[in-house]
Amino acid sequence: KQEVTQIPAALSVPEGENLVLNCSFTDSAIYNLQWFRQDPGKGLTSLLLIQSSQREQTSGRLNASLDKSSGRSTLYIAASQPGDSATYLCAVRGSEKLVFGKGMKLTVNP
Amino acid sequence: GAVVSQHPSRVICKSGTSVKIECRSLDFQATTMFWYRQFPKKSLMLMATSNEGSKATYEQGVEKDKFLINHASLTLSTLTVTSAHPEDSSFYICSAFQDRRNTEAFFGQGTRLTVV
Repeated sequence: KQEVTQIPAALSVPEGENLVLNCSFTDSAIYNLQWFRQDPGKGLTSLLLIQSSQREQTSGRLNASLDKSSGRSTLYIAASQPGDSATYLCAVRGSEKLVFGKGMKLTVNP
Repeated sequence: GAVVSQHPSRVICKSGTSVKIECRSLDFQATTMFWYRQFPKKSLMLMATSNEGSKATYEQGVEKDKFLINHASLTLSTLTVTSAHPEDSSFYICSAFQDRRNTEAFFGQGTRLTVV
């Protein structure tokens, strides 16, 4: 059974820091891995999708990497801003279903 | 990206009543949609997979008679919480893949259900 872990559960940093968010999964047989952002009381916004054959994806200040063999992904946020404050979730897709981590609550202080 | 619209965003209902939540794919057809429930400080829990034109597939431990799912068209799935109780109060989210393989999952805005 696939398990997805995100550590730490929460992180508070001053504005401007470069951040690395970690995600690990137990079963490397995945189709893809997706990073999401969730604001309080809202749905999930897709940030980046990495296919199993890819090693990284970039969008603006975000860069996500995938090491399928070791069961790890990282989300790199450059020059963090207060508007980046949210909960970040990673999810892996095996067959039809997504399996989520519990998320990491990020607070960027001005 | 693709858009999934969920309605309502918030609903308060009395114990014993039923509540219907709609999930629509606005710019693509979704033969499969997924319903999740989110508990505070927990992972999203997949409740069921909604299949257009056929019965939904429920995850272990989810009562199918309690959470009725209907997927009558390629753009609409509904979740009805029947005979709601306070313990059903939660955040419910739907999602869909734009097509079958290796694509992004898109999520609705979520519905905050409060049963009083």
